[in-house]
Amino acid sequence: DAGVIQSPRHEVTEMGQEVTLRCKPISGHNSLFWYRQTMMRGLELLIYFNNNVPIDDSGMPEDRFSAKMPNASFSTLKIQPSEPRDSAVYFCASSGGLNRGYTFGSGTRLTVV
Amino acid sequence: KQEVTQIPAALSVPEGENLVLNCSFTDSAIYNLQWFRQDPGKGLTSLLLIQSSQREQTSGRLNASLDKSSGRSTLYIAASQPGDSATYLCAVDPGANNLFFGTGTRLTVIP
Repeated sequence: DAGVIQSPRHEVTEMGQEVTLRCKPISGHNSLFWYRQTMMRGLELLIYFNNNVPIDDSGMPEDRFSAKMPNASFSTLKIQPSEPRDSAVYFCASSGGLNRGYTFGSGTRLTVV
Repeated sequence: KQEVTQIPAALSVPEGENLVLNCSFTDSAIYNLQWFRQDPGKGLTSLLLIQSSQREQTSGRLNASLDKSSGRSTLYIAASQPGDSATYLCAVDPGANNLFFGTGTRLTVIP
């Protein structure tokens, strides 16, 4: 298994532009999570999906953030418009169920200038 | 709200030394605890997962213990190597589809 795959690895964009981050979870995992990591706040859960359905998006910071999971093998996190304070590393993780642990992708390092 | 603390924040040891990393959490109602390592600029790699009914898990030179009632876990690394240098994160799973992470311990193993 190739693990959780995220793209792009790095993204540099100008303030105001739309950014789309992509994630492919591990096949057979029914839960998918988007996390954001910053030096100041550590790892924060943004949103999670169960069986492709968004269950809890209370961690999404603003309406500028949106996430979709159109099928079991693909999810996107979109920021529109992006702002410099959105600069962070965004991780996608998937899980096959309770007590089966979380597997994280390599992350997308986003820089908004 | 669950709070997870890791002590020390940073640790530097000579190669070959055995070491212990500590993790404490405030709410003992957890399903499991997972230890991760994170290399600079990289993602999180899962090391060990301990279910709430278990007291320890071992993988190679790593041994993790869990005392749920006291809200503590330790990660023991035997015969440390320079390749062990990384940040180690513990995370508790309360079964609510979220992991609560500690702030991490940055380990440096000096050759």
